[in-house]
Amino acid sequence: NAGVTQTPKFRILKIGQSMTLQCTQDMNHNYMYWYRQDPGMGLKLIYYSVGAGITDKGEVPNGYNVSRSTTEDFPLRLELAAPSQTSVYFCASGRGEGSYGYTFGSGTRLTVV
Amino acid sequence: AQSVAQPEDQVNVAEGNPLTVKCTYSVSGNPYLFWYVQYPNRGLQFLLKYITGDNLVKGSYGFEAEFNKSQTSFHLKKPSALVSDSALYFCAVSMNTGFQKLVFGTGTRLLVSP
Repeated sequence: NAGVTQTPKFRILKIGQSMTLQCTQDMNHNYMYWYRQDPGMGLKLIYYSVGAGITDKGEVPNGYNVSRSTTEDFPLRLELAAPSQTSVYFCASGRGEGSYGYTFGSGTRLTVV
Repeated sequence: AQSVAQPEDQVNVAEGNPLTVKCTYSVSGNPYLFWYVQYPNRGLQFLLKYITGDNLVKGSYGFEAEFNKSQTSFHLKKPSALVSDSALYFCAVSMNTGFQKLVFGTGTRLLVSP
């Protein structure tokens, strides 16, 4: 029972490069989320999805894009990496019910230099 | 809009002593409240939640939390701290209407000394 799997675990990017953070869940959850975690700032919601083909912006979407072609996968795309995107990124999934809570992946630590 | 405040960046406690990590929330209706724990280089793990009913909620690893509606608080507690409890703790809130979107506090680092 894998839960939520994120790859890669670590990555260093140069300014202006692009990359995709992968997220896959095997719990058949309709709802998926991307958060970034910065020291002292808690978790900020970047994008979320309520089902395949449906995505929406969170609090801090600028500089990111997402897609949701299947229930299982919710990749996060950085098109032109900037130092401000240095952070730890977490993917999470849930059933969408307020009482359920989320299951989190183990995170991707991204450094932009 | 819903929000969560964790007023302490860090809590220090000696092993064997009781611990409290504070959380207050602001919502326009009835909340669902959660505590998550994050160990170094790991994702967030669910500890406990309040949905309805008994105001004292028991969770994993001996933790419990008390929901206080009049004070809009949901403090995390443990009667006897362990060094292994040292971690980053997040409080979160969601609404009981509409789809689920958790709003997290900024986190409190718990440091338990031997």
